[in-house]
Amino acid sequence: GEDVEQSLFLSVREGDSSVINCTYTDSSSTYLYWYKQEPGAGLQLLTYIFSNMDMKQDQRLTVLLNKKDKHLSLRIADTQTGDSAIYFCAESPQGNTGKLIFGQGTTLQVKP
Amino acid sequence: EPEVTQTPSHQVTQMGQEVILRCVPISNHLYFYWYRQILGQKVEFLVSFYNNEISEKSEIFDDQFSVERPDGSNFTLKIRSTKLEDSAMYFCASTGLLQSNEQFFGPGTRLTVL
Repeated sequence: GEDVEQSLFLSVREGDSSVINCTYTDSSSTYLYWYKQEPGAGLQLLTYIFSNMDMKQDQRLTVLLNKKDKHLSLRIADTQTGDSAIYFCAESPQGNTGKLIFGQGTTLQVKP
Repeated sequence: EPEVTQTPSHQVTQMGQEVILRCVPISNHLYFYWYRQILGQKVEFLVSFYNNEISEKSEIFDDQFSVERPDGSNFTLKIRSTKLEDSAMYFCASTGLLQSNEQFFGPGTRLTVL
């Protein structure tokens, strides 16, 4: 089946690194995504990784993919108060119409 | 930078009434989606649309729901007879490339059914 799980809450201090974890079930997923949702706003695509990659770095963001364990993580370096938001992991199962399956979201709280 | 827009931002309706939620996807995109997010819950897929027809729909998308692309720019979601449990945030999304599937989301319409 298609399911994505995330921990619900993470609190860090400003300047620290944040690591948000996600597990997914569909091994056919070709791409995996991280979205950010700020209060009252829509979903903003942060980054995504192709399933044949182990790592992708984009400025302060590092995505790690362990395909064997179906585990995805998002590391935010030098976390700022502006990074406070809900972060959603999503998979796009292969062979379908592009629907995204989302996790329940991890609320990141950044304390000054 | 092109963006997906949605109107209205907030819709309040009485149970049993019909509502139409509107979206304008990014202009050169070909694949369109509706998702919903009940307060405090996951973002859930409702329907995907390509080439003027539904390509996939979820169990949530029953006979009360329909989608339409009435012209070259708008993409609408209609709920024929709203129920209390339809209260949610509804997001429209679009993508130009199904392979990488970078979906761009609108800001959402908050639907409140009384």
